[in-house]
Amino acid sequence: QKEVEQDPGPLSVPEGAIVSLNCTYSNSAFQYFMWYRQYSRKGPELLMYTYSSGNKEDGRFTAQVDKSSKYISLFIRDSQPSDSATYLCAMSEGTGGFKTIFGAGTRLFVKA
Amino acid sequence: AAGVIQSPRHLIKEKRETATLKCYPIPRHDTVYWYQQGPGQDPQFLISFYEKMQSDKGSIPDRFSAQQFSDYHSELNMSSLELGDSALYFCASSLTKREGRGSYNEQFFGPGTRLTVL
Repeated sequence: QKEVEQDPGPLSVPEGAIVSLNCTYSNSAFQYFMWYRQYSRKGPELLMYTYSSGNKEDGRFTAQVDKSSKYISLFIRDSQPSDSATYLCAMSEGTGGFKTIFGAGTRLFVKA
Repeated sequence: AAGVIQSPRHLIKEKRETATLKCYPIPRHDTVYWYQQGPGQDPQFLISFYEKMQSDKGSIPDRFSAQQFSDYHSELNMSSLELGDSALYFCASSLTKREGRGSYNEQFFGPGTRLTVL
């Protein structure tokens, strides 16, 4: 079993929809929870991160972490065609040189 | 703004050959990470360095080695290449700020080196 599980999709939604992306994990030592966006043939780009449990909002994006359930989510409101990409969750026990474990990535298509 | 530079961008090798991938971090960044991403796969953490010392190690094969030099650039050396080593290899860099718990040191990814082993 992988340390981080993520449904690879693909997920197809109409423009303006609310998108929900999720990951589960098994390592209770994870403290940092990140969401990356990756376009084809490009390196991942950090969208947002959360430390420990709780919610974090940044514009149309909201990240949630439930450490008791070992479950994290990313919500995208008012989705746009430009949001079409692969979204990867990632986790680490620490920052500054600690290994980062990625999920499989969910391919999202937002149709105009 | 300066980004992470990786060279070469594309590399084709034969089985059992060796390859060296280079990574030049963002100026003033002191931490470098290496990842391997197979087709349709998630990035797999290989190894990381902080201030020229190995800081963490993942699923890096014994055939691979890496180091960070005095100018903070890093090289990933791969020997006895196998077909399964064909992948996109990403380098990422970060500035490790010791600001206490909760402050994440963002990793900035390079464009990757696409290695094809024939």
